[in-house]
Amino acid sequence: KQEVTQIPAALSVPEGENLVLNCSFTDSAIYNLQWFRQDPGKGLTSLLLIQSSQREQTSGRLNASLDKSSGRSTLYIAASQPGDSATYLCAVHSGGGADGLTFGKGTHLIIQP
Amino acid sequence: NAGVTQTPKFRILKIGQSMTLQCTQDMNHNYMYWYRQDPGMGLKLIYYSVGAGITDKGEVPNGYNVSRSTTEDFPLRLELAAPSQTSVYFCASSVPGGKAFFGQGTRLTVV
Repeated sequence: KQEVTQIPAALSVPEGENLVLNCSFTDSAIYNLQWFRQDPGKGLTSLLLIQSSQREQTSGRLNASLDKSSGRSTLYIAASQPGDSATYLCAVHSGGGADGLTFGKGTHLIIQP
Repeated sequence: NAGVTQTPKFRILKIGQSMTLQCTQDMNHNYMYWYRQDPGMGLKLIYYSVGAGITDKGEVPNGYNVSRSTTEDFPLRLELAAPSQTSVYFCASSVPGGKAFFGQGTRLTVV
C-alpha cells in the first residue's frame, strides 16, 4: 500500500527566504505526483504536476523535483511572501493513474511579514 | 469557468439520517473522485469513477454509495449517518494523467 509522508509538518519562516518542502513515498511505481495548496476552509489547488518520466516542473517561484527511484519529491519556493502561507499537500497517483491520489498529511507553512 | 461545484457547503445531520452530497463539473472530465479530509489527516479516497456508468471503491467506502449517470455529475450518498462520518468532503475531477481539480468542499457534522 502506497504511503506518502511530508516533512516538516509545520514551518514558519520570515518573508523573503527560500524554502524547501519534502515529500516521500513508499512505492516508486507511480504514475505522477502533484503538489497542491490548500487555504483554510477552501478546496485544493493543483500547483505542479510531475509525470513519472519527468525530473522537475517549474511555475513562477515554485519548482518541484521528482526522484522516483528514491521515492522523494521536493517543492522549492523562492523568495517567499506572506501570501504563500497555506498548507501544501503532496499526492501521488499509483498504478494506471485512474484510481485516485494518495495524499500526505501536508506541511502547514507560515510566512512572517 | 465554474470548474467543480459542490453543494451544500455546510450540513448538520442527525445520527441515522441520510443525505446526498452533490458534485458537478463542467470540464468534460471522465475521471471523478470523492475524498474525505479529517483534521490532521491527509485526504482519503472514498469512491472514484472513470466514466459514466462506471464506479469503484476507494480506501474508505463503507457507509457511502455513489452513482455516475452522466459525465458531469457524481453524487455521494450517505444512507445512515454516523458520527464517524463527520468530515470535510471533497469532489475532484481530471482527465487521465492530468491535474486534479477540486471543489470547495462540503463540511458535514453528524450529531
